[in-house]
Amino acid sequence: KAGVTQTPRYLIKTRGQQVTLSCSPISGHRSVSWYQQTPGQGLQFLFEYFSETQRNKGNFPGRFSGRQFSNSRSEMNVSTLELGDSALYLCASSSTGNTEAFFGQGTRLTVV
Amino acid sequence: DQQVKQNSPSLSVQEGRISILNCDYTNSMFDYFLWYKKYPAEGPTFLISISSIKDKNEDGRFTVFLNKSAKHLSLHIVPSQPGDSAVYFCAASAREYGNKLVFGAGTILRVKS
Repeated sequence: KAGVTQTPRYLIKTRGQQVTLSCSPISGHRSVSWYQQTPGQGLQFLFEYFSETQRNKGNFPGRFSGRQFSNSRSEMNVSTLELGDSALYLCASSSTGNTEAFFGQGTRLTVV
Repeated sequence: DQQVKQNSPSLSVQEGRISILNCDYTNSMFDYFLWYKKYPAEGPTFLISISSIKDKNEDGRFTVFLNKSAKHLSLHIVPSQPGDSAVYFCAASAREYGNKLVFGAGTILRVKS
């Protein structure tokens, strides 16, 4: 069974640009969550999508958005990038509520 | 507010001995708890979980204990191996929050050979 796949693994963007990250969950998993990891803030929840609907949202500005497709693949978008958006972005896949979440390798975003 | 706390930033243990990692939480709605192991620049790897209806769960060398009255859980690794050296994160979720996980800050475990 294939694991969670995130693309790309690394990205370098300039301030003010926008970026789209992709996540393919484990086959059969309908829930995809996104997290941001920074040295200062640790692992912070961004949002969760379940059956193409956003079910939960963390405390991030509206520049951070996401969506989920009918095949459960998910994308997150960050617009008007700031230096502070530099982080490891992680996607987690789950089957139903309150169960184990399995993470992808992450996308390392660097904003210069 | 830090709803999940791992108060020990690091822990050093001799190979073969027991490693005990601790985690405290404040939100009474949390009913499911997980431990993850993480290497730099990689995603967390799921280790073991426990539901709030249990007080212990074992999987091989890993055992998680939950004390609901104290809002405390711990991960025991026996025996510790050098390959266990990594950052360990405690995470909590609540049925009402869907699959949202709230993470602690992590504990760096070093197992010395």
